[in-house]
Amino acid sequence: QSALTQPASVSGSPGQSITISCTGTSSDVGGYNYVSWYQQHPGKAPKLMIYDVSDRPSGVSNRFSGSKSGNTASLTISGLQAEDEADYYCTSYTNSSPWVFGGGTKLTVL
Amino acid sequence: EVQLVESGGGLVQPGGSLRLSCAASGFIFSSYAMHWVRQAPGKGLEYVSAISSNGGSTHHVDSVKGRFTISRDNSKNTLFLQMSSLRTEDTAVYFCVKGAGHSFYYYGMDVWGQGTTVTVSS
Repeated sequence: QSALTQPASVSGSPGQSITISCTGTSSDVGGYNYVSWYQQHPGKAPKLMIYDVSDRPSGVSNRFSGSKSGNTASLTISGLQAEDEADYYCTSYTNSSPWVFGGGTKLTVL
Repeated sequence: EVQLVESGGGLVQPGGSLRLSCAASGFIFSSYAMHWVRQAPGKGLEYVSAISSNGGSTHHVDSVKGRFTISRDNSKNTLFLQMSSLRTEDTAVYFCVKGAGHSFYYYGMDVWGQGTTVTVSS
């Protein structure tokens, strides 16, 4: 099972919005509404930010939102803050693995 | 509060074995699937293994099939990963992750432990 495709890096200034894409196939992202997003700060464990494409766990800021179109899922962070600087990973249910991760995206807050 | 505490990592020679453990607390362990996910140094996350809530169903990624075995003891709220025939490419931080439902199909992963480091080197 190939990893989902994410941009290696994105950046934005405080207060701006950024979007991270996660591209798969009809066997994973496009075929199921089971995409999650995780935030990982250096040396820390990943934290669930979005599940089932667009749902937010309790306690996660509403500045984080998720969506999907075809074989591509997206994570949008609005009102960027310094604390948002981290690595972000998407994962999707697949018909083979059963889960596959994206390669990760490093978010830099300028 | 949900807590997952991994242990058992360390330095092992290629071809050797290790058994990782994950002590769970703060939730009804026997009601949730559990997963192992690893992260090689400086790399991304890689799905490794999963087990259903009652232990009756398991899955291992192709790269570890036949070498790793996931299991659980619901009476002790503990998840295990038995690793054998270890290779240098198995070097990684191994995370124990709570599933969001009883099955690892469709239900994702929510809470992560802090991880335990496995180094395979001669």
